[in-house]
Parts: sequence; C-alpha cells; structure tokens
Amino acid sequence: RKEVEQDPGPFNVPEGATVAFNCTYSNSASQSFFWYRQDCRKEPKLLMSVYSSGNEDGRFTAQLNRASQYISLLIRDSKLSDSATYLCAGDSGAGSYQLTFGKGTKLSVIP
Amino acid sequence: DAGITQSPRHKVTETGTPVTLRCHQTENHRYMYWYRQDPGHGLRLIHYSYGVKDTDKGEVSDGYSVSRSKTEDFLLTLESATSSQTSVYFCAISGADSTDTQYFGPGTRLTVL
Repeated sequence: RKEVEQDPGPFNVPEGATVAFNCTYSNSASQSFFWYRQDCRKEPKLLMSVYSSGNEDGRFTAQLNRASQYISLLIRDSKLSDSATYLCAGDSGAGSYQLTFGKGTKLSVIP
Repeated sequence: DAGITQSPRHKVTETGTPVTLRCHQTENHRYMYWYRQDPGHGLRLIHYSYGVKDTDKGEVSDGYSVSRSKTEDFLLTLESATSSQTSVYFCAISGADSTDTQYFGPGTRLTVL
C-alpha cells in the first residue's frame, strides 16, 4: 500500500518563528503533491500544489525532492492564524485522480 | 470556495439502520470522492466516481455503497450502520481543470449508537 507519512506534532512555535514540516511518500510514480490546511472541525482546504521542484506563495514555500521522496512546507513569520493541522497528499500516479493523504501535522502558534 | 454541499451535516442514528449521505456539487467536476476521517487514521478513501454511473472502491469500502445518477450528486449509503462507522465523512471533487487537485465539502458528522 502506498503511504504518505507525516510527523503528527504538535509543533508549538512562537509568533514570528519559521517552521518547517516534512512529508515522505513511498509511491515513486506520484507526480503531483499538495498541502492542505485543516482547521478544527472543518474541511481540508487547499494551501498549495507542488508539481515540480517547488512553489512559493507569500510566507509559504513548498519544496519537492524526488530523489529522497519527500515534500516540505516552510512557513515564515508565523501568525496566530496559522494554527491548524497541515495535511500533505500525493497522487497515485499520472492521470490517476486519486490522492493519498498523510495523517496531518498539528501546528500551534503561540503569542 | 468550490460549490460543494453535504447533507445532512450532522446525524445520530442507531446500529442497524440504513443511512444515506448526499454530496452535491455545482462545479461540473468529473470526479467525486467519499472519505472518512478518524483520529489516528487521517483521511481514508471509501469510494470514488469517475463519471455518471461509474464508481469504484477505495481503501475502506466494506459496509458502504455509492451511487451517482447525475454529475452533480454522489450518494454514500451505509446499508446497516455500525458503531465503527461513527466518523466525519467528507465529499471531495476534482477534475474540471485537468488536474487532480481535490476540493472538499464541509463534512457530515455521523454518530452511530
């Protein structure tokens, strides 16, 4: 079974800190990767897509390392509002339209 | 936000009763999915659909059936609910933009007593 693994945390960081999460995947055929953010008792919401080596959106940077089969998410200048669970996901191969999700990493940003 | 609704949003039922959850989309996405999310397990795929009347099993399909008679609706049925099916159920859609990005509905919280 193809796996996506994440450190469950929790990561407790002060406001303004930089925090990084890693996610490893076992399916070498995976082409597309995603980071989702999930607030307590809410649905996952897409944060970033990662199709090649990386992607940046404001304070968030996602990187893909195909050789070592991991993706990372870097959050700079953490805000209280960044507190959530972050899920990574990878597809099951080109054109599969199925995703395998990690169990999530919980982040708490502390004042 | 993607136009996805789920109904009901909350349901409490008793063991042995049938339950049907509905997912409705207004985005004309080809693919629709049902997941369950439980502590310690994350999101697990139950069934998915790749078109009207085209469905397939996911990782945890035992005890569940699905139907898709229209592009916009995907139904999940628990034929005889068990306490192990107490969970949060999410519907997701993808495929309209030729990527496999999935967008999630708000979820249904189901409790089986």
